[in-house]
Amino acid sequence: GIQVEQSPPDLILQEGANSTLRCNFSDSVNNLQWFHQNPWGQLINLFYIPSGTKQNGRLSATTVATERYSLLYISSSQTTDSGVYFCAVDVKAGAGSYQLTFGKGTKLSVIP
Amino acid sequence: GAGVSQTPSNKVTEKGKYVELRCDPISGHTALYWYRQSLGQGPEFLIYFQGTGAADDSGLPNDRFFAVRPEGSVSTLKIQRTERGDSAVYLCASSYGGGANVLTFGAGSRLTVL
Repeated sequence: GIQVEQSPPDLILQEGANSTLRCNFSDSVNNLQWFHQNPWGQLINLFYIPSGTKQNGRLSATTVATERYSLLYISSSQTTDSGVYFCAVDVKAGAGSYQLTFGKGTKLSVIP
Repeated sequence: GAGVSQTPSNKVTEKGKYVELRCDPISGHTALYWYRQSLGQGPEFLIYFQGTGAADDSGLPNDRFFAVRPEGSVSTLKIQRTERGDSAVYLCASSYGGGANVLTFGAGSRLTVL
């Protein structure tokens, strides 16, 4: 099956700093989503981004499908950004895409 | 409802017992998914429902695991003869239709098998 590797595994930031999280995948994908899991375990969808670039406030994401990677940018980090960030992918497209394969995540700690 | 609701939030049981975990998806979401998350890992796919039928149960680890969604809304994940290795957080998600749609996850049910 498809392999998903996320880096770095752990990241500690001072509040206000910027960061880039990376997701590499081993095959072409038609579905790619970024999630944030807060310290209480709740998974929140951040982006659906199988290709291209999207922005939402301080967060933005870029997927270069031809080179099999995606990047999540966090600017002006806040303590509430702490948690684990997951990249999840599926090689299938359209109605056939329902089984996401998750990476192991990047654990982000933002300190005041 | 406003979000995906999962009950119980925590379940402690003894090895060999039977367990049921319930998921109430967002109203109107026809697709429902179960994932399992072990400590330090990303969620792993278990089963996908489109409406009432299990469209894909290939992620269920063995025949001790079974899930139903009889009326196309609430789903129950059933685990027979629990083993210590079943300890994990069981996550439910739902989405409009199936396919490449944004998943909304519940808060999870943490299962501990002693």
